[in-house]
Parts: sequence; structure tokens; C-alpha cells
Amino acid sequence: NAGVTQTPKFQVLKTGQSMTLQCAQDMNHNSMYWYRQDPGMGLRLIYYSASEGTTDKGEVPNGYNVSRLNKREFSLRLESAAPSQTSVYFCASKALAGANTGELFFGEGSRLTVL
Amino acid sequence: RKEVEQDPGPFNVPEGATVAFNCTYSNSASQSFFWYRQDCRKEPKLLMSVYSSGNEDGRFTAQLNRASQYISLLIRDSKLSDSATYLCVVRRGNQGGKLIFGQGTELSVKP
Repeated sequence: NAGVTQTPKFQVLKTGQSMTLQCAQDMNHNSMYWYRQDPGMGLRLIYYSASEGTTDKGEVPNGYNVSRLNKREFSLRLESAAPSQTSVYFCASKALAGANTGELFFGEGSRLTVL
Repeated sequence: RKEVEQDPGPFNVPEGATVAFNCTYSNSASQSFFWYRQDCRKEPKLLMSVYSSGNEDGRFTAQLNRASQYISLLIRDSKLSDSATYLCVVRRGNQGGKLIFGQGTELSVKP
């Protein structure tokens, strides 16, 4: 019962370094999402992919890029990390983007600190 | 103004108490509504959907008032295991049906 798997779970970066957060789901879901969660801000959508081959910006896309590698995998890249990107990152998936269901399945989160 | 707003709490209640959480949303095109639960340092998980007529799941009751753009969650007979953060979530009717999360209300149930 893997569900949504994110790696790494923890990462410390220096300002200006780059890194990629990996996400994979084994539920044959079409839609995948990247959120960040900061204290007092709730979860904010960074990017999403409604289906394989498409990606769209969310609320806070600046400083990030994504790749929907195949139906299972959706990666998030920080090209030049900044302290403002210190956060907890959650990957999530959903069967269909437009379906009238709110059930997102989340990974366990990746805790990123940028010094 | 945030699109989905909740009282951040924390709500500190004794076991057995009844507690209510409120949530307001500003986008009248919002189509669907949900409550998620998030335990400390864990991922959010769907608690229940919110239907127009109101709905119940055991000790949990959710209600929706579209005219006032207001959602509520009532927990009766609180248990220690109910301690968590409760997230109000709204699905937009447009823009691909994106889910917008409130900042969450923290609940702590004490013995």
C-alpha cells in the first residue's frame, strides 16, 4: 500500500543550490499536485498536472519548475534555492482533476530548509 | 483577504466536550467543500465531504450555508484522538477545479 511516495523526506540546502523533489504514485491517478505548507498559511498550490503531459501553475509557482515524467511521477525542482523556500512540501494525487471529489492522497511530506 | 478562512485556534477542550469549527470562503464559484484532518507533522487526510443538506459521520457533523458562504464542522463527545488540525477545503467551480485549503484550526483535547 505505497500510495504516494516522496523523496527525500528531509533536506538542508544552502542558498543558490538546486535540488529536485521526487514524487511517485501507484494508484493510477491522472492528476498530481505539489503544495507547500507554512505556519499560518495553510497549504498553497505550487504546480499541478491534470493529466500526463500537462502542467499548470498554481498560486505560488515562482522559483519552481515541474516535470510530469510519466503517469506515475511528478517532480518539483528548485533551480536556485532561497531561504523563503524553507517549507514542508507535499505531493498529492487525485483520480481525476475535474471530478467532484475532494479526496487528494498525500505523500508524507518533504521538509526542506534553505540556509 | 484569503479565499478560505478559518479560526486558527488552538481550541483546548476537555474530553467529552462538543466543539465547533467555522470556515468562510470568498469565491462564490466554489463548488464542493471538504474537511481534512492533519495530525502533527503528518500529511492531511480527507475527513469528510460537506453536502448542501448537511451530513453526519458518527460524532462528526458538517454543514454548508451557500448563501453566507460558510462551512462548519461539529465534533461531539471529543476524544483524545481527535487532537489534530482541521483543514477546511474548497473546490473551485472553475480553473480546473483546484482545491483551496484554509490555514487550519488546531484542536487539543485534554483528559
